[in-house]
Amino acid sequence: DAGVTQSPTHLIKTRGQQVTLRCSPISGHKSVSWYQQVLGQGPQFIFQYYEKEERGRGNFPDRFSARQFPNYSSELNVNALLLGDSALYLCASSLLAGIYEQYFGPGTRLTVT
Amino acid sequence: RKEVEQDPGPFNVPEGATVAFNCTYSNSASQSFFWYRQDCRKEPKLLMSVYSSGNEDGRFTAQLNRASQYISLLIRDSKLSDSATYLCVVDKGGGFKTIFGAGTRLFVKA
Repeated sequence: DAGVTQSPTHLIKTRGQQVTLRCSPISGHKSVSWYQQVLGQGPQFIFQYYEKEERGRGNFPDRFSARQFPNYSSELNVNALLLGDSALYLCASSLLAGIYEQYFGPGTRLTVT
Repeated sequence: RKEVEQDPGPFNVPEGATVAFNCTYSNSASQSFFWYRQDCRKEPKLLMSVYSSGNEDGRFTAQLNRASQYISLLIRDSKLSDSATYLCVVDKGGGFKTIFGAGTRLFVKA
């Protein structure tokens, strides 16, 4: 079975632009979570979605938004990019909502210049 | 105080050594605990869940101490391939938020 997939792998954007990152969970998994990881830190929780509904939100500004589609794939949108948004964005899928074992995709490395 | 704290290391150990990491958490309502490993510039991979009764998987043993609010990971007979950053994960206590520690770096040397 395919694991979690994310696209694109790398992305370079300019301050003020908007970006959309995509994630497809493991087949049969209904929950997707998004994380931001900067160098030297652990992943920081952004959102969890389950059955197309937001179930959890971390301490990120409203510039960050996400959605989940009927096929359980998900998009993370970031508006008005700042230099500090440069990071590895990780998507994790789990079978159910809540705190269960999560399986991560390879991430999207976003660089904001 | 941080919600989840780990000793950043690095821990430098020879092959075959036993090494242990601790991770403390601040929220007594936390119920779910995990250990992940992350190789350089790769995604985190689930290593094991941590149950109240402890959990063992081959050379790896995880334990939970609720009274002192920490979880531990013990690695026996260290291999070169165990070199990685080990991340502890704790739920925030109610709801759907997970908190990762900053990680403990382990280097196993021949």
